[in-house]
Amino acid sequence: KAGVTQTPRYLIKTRGQQVTLSCSPISGHRSVSWYQQTPGQGLQFLFEYFSETQRNKGNFPGRFSGRQFSNSRSEMNVSTLELGDSALYLCASSLGTGRTDTQYFGPGTRLTVL
Amino acid sequence: AQSVTQLDSQVPVFEEAPVELRCNYSSSVSVYLFWYVQYPNQGLQLLLKYLSGSTLVKGINGFEAEFNKSQTSFHLRKPSVHISDTAEYFCAVSDSGGYQKVTFGTGTKLQVIP
Repeated sequence: KAGVTQTPRYLIKTRGQQVTLSCSPISGHRSVSWYQQTPGQGLQFLFEYFSETQRNKGNFPGRFSGRQFSNSRSEMNVSTLELGDSALYLCASSLGTGRTDTQYFGPGTRLTVL
Repeated sequence: AQSVTQLDSQVPVFEEAPVELRCNYSSSVSVYLFWYVQYPNQGLQLLLKYLSGSTLVKGINGFEAEFNKSQTSFHLRKPSVHISDTAEYFCAVSDSGGYQKVTFGTGTKLQVIP
């Protein structure tokens, strides 16, 4: 099976712009979770989507949003970018049936905000 | 609320020596515990997970971890490390807060010295 893919792998934006990141889960997986990874804060949970519905949400401002399509692919959007949004954004997919599911991570999208 | 503490931010160890990476968790309910590894410029890969049953869990690449409920710990061990084990290791916990709401520790960078 193909793994989790994320596009683009690298992105450079300027403050105030908005950005959309994409994640394609492993075939058959219905849950997609997004994480932000920074040297200072580590890995922080953004949100999780299951069957096109946001099922869990972390403590991030409303500038961070996401959605999931019927084929389970997910997008994450960040509006009005700030310097502090520079990070590695990871998505992870799983079957979504419970807490014991293994999450499979993509390689991430490295976002740099100038 | 759940939390994870990784006591060591960096651990240098000589090749073929044993290593232990420490992880302590806090949760008011029963938990599931995970160890992930992240190689440079890559996403996270699951090493092993504890769901229930035997407290000694064996994972990939020769790693194992022991769940200790009384000490709320889940330390990762390997009897003999290899250069290729150089990476960052993350301990994570999932409790009844949500299907895939996983809380990660801040990570431990393992540096294997030839």
